[in-house]
Amino acid sequence: DGGITQSPKYLFRKEGQNVTLSCEQNLNHDAMYWYRQDPGQGLRLIYYSQIVNDFQKGDIAEGYSVSREKKESFPLTVTSAQKNPTAFYLCASSPWTGGDQPQHFGDGTRLSIL
Amino acid sequence: DAKTTQPPSMDCAEGRAANLPCNHSTISGNEYVYWYRQIHSQGPQYIIHGLKNNETNEMASLIITEDRKSSTLILPHATLRDTAVYYCIVRRLMDSNYQLIWGAGTKLIIKP
Repeated sequence: DGGITQSPKYLFRKEGQNVTLSCEQNLNHDAMYWYRQDPGQGLRLIYYSQIVNDFQKGDIAEGYSVSREKKESFPLTVTSAQKNPTAFYLCASSPWTGGDQPQHFGDGTRLSIL
Repeated sequence: DAKTTQPPSMDCAEGRAANLPCNHSTISGNEYVYWYRQIHSQGPQYIIHGLKNNETNEMASLIITEDRKSSTLILPHATLRDTAVYYCIVRRLMDSNYQLIWGAGTKLIIKP
């Protein structure tokens, strides 16, 4: 079955610690995205990537970093500079960023501060 | 940027049609309307999208008004598993790429 796999499902971070969230897709999609969701709110775009070795900032990129070394992988690092990291993080992919093809989502990682 | 307005919550009886409205009065001519739903603690699930014509698939129907300022998602025979938050979304063009703009959605509760 093709899809998007996010891991871990739950993650805890200590103050001052960087953590990395994994996102893998086997849909052969060129574009991948990271979103943040706070309780009762919609999704906000953190970073997106149109192609390997290329990525752009979204609306709330401060305190986050990404890499895109392989087409199927788009890990997100939540750095210690992100002062309010507790949230639900969602990864998505689409064939490309143009056209009308919908984005497909993983089941998310819930990050909490210890 | 086009924005959408949805009621925060709605109820529907099981087996009846659920009609979810969305207002997108500032939408431009080449912007699509997308509908997703999110069941608690899961990733959003794509339902349907359209530009100006009505659309139907195995999950739902999408009715877009002629002036494109509003649309309605119809779940023809709602079941308890349809309880979720439903998002009506339009895109924006950012750095030559289309991005989805998410609001708070409508919490749909299907009652037995």
